[in-house]
Amino acid sequence: SYELTQPPSVSVSPGQTARITCSGDALPDHYVYWYQQKPGQAPVVIIYKDIERPSGIPERFSGSSSGTIVTLTISGVQAEDEAVYYCLSTDNSGTYRVFGGGTKLTVL
Amino acid sequence: QVQLVQSGSELKKPGASVKISCSAAGYTFTTYGMNWVRQAPGQGLEWMGWINTNTGDPTYAQGFTGRFVFSLDTSVSTAYLQISGLKAEDTAIYYCARDLYGYDSSGHYSWFDPWGQGTLVTVSS
Repeated sequence: SYELTQPPSVSVSPGQTARITCSGDALPDHYVYWYQQKPGQAPVVIIYKDIERPSGIPERFSGSSSGTIVTLTISGVQAEDEAVYYCLSTDNSGTYRVFGGGTKLTVL
Repeated sequence: QVQLVQSGSELKKPGASVKISCSAAGYTFTTYGMNWVRQAPGQGLEWMGWINTNTGDPTYAQGFTGRFVFSLDTSVSTAYLQISGLKAEDTAIYYCARDLYGYDSSGHYSWFDPWGQGTLVTVSS
């Protein structure tokens, strides 16, 4: 079955830039969406269609795409950004949705 | 505003069944599909499938066929997830999430927003 691969964890100090990658061989053909999940809460979309940011999401969150790898970048990380981040996309058939395994962002 | 409200926590014995509801408000229910997502304790998100709220046609992900059933009651803008023959490994939070889909110059797009608050199902003897 299709898989999206994320690093299990990323650690940065406040004010630094965090980059979280998501890789999958179908990514050139399908959009990626990024979700932020804080403990005890439902996930919230922070990036849609690879690079678009919903209203209300801070500008420090951005997305980029290059071939089979997409990247979520958080510039000027703040303590409140500590969360688990998931990528979501579609498999090669275009039928089934798949989440990445999630990346725990720790703000040191 | 647009929101999804799910039913409360459930404690069930192995072999029992459970039916979780997801009530939608703030939009036309049949305009967008509904996804179901499972999150086992301390684990990641797992897409279970989705249901077309216009036709009632469900699509189940691998691993969620047989014991899992998606259904609708469009008269009350509510989607349901029923799980039969519960096992300990079904213990998880189950989320519903609206499917925002469409087509643009790059093709099909579809993302989940908003999500319900989640329903904890605990299976224990």
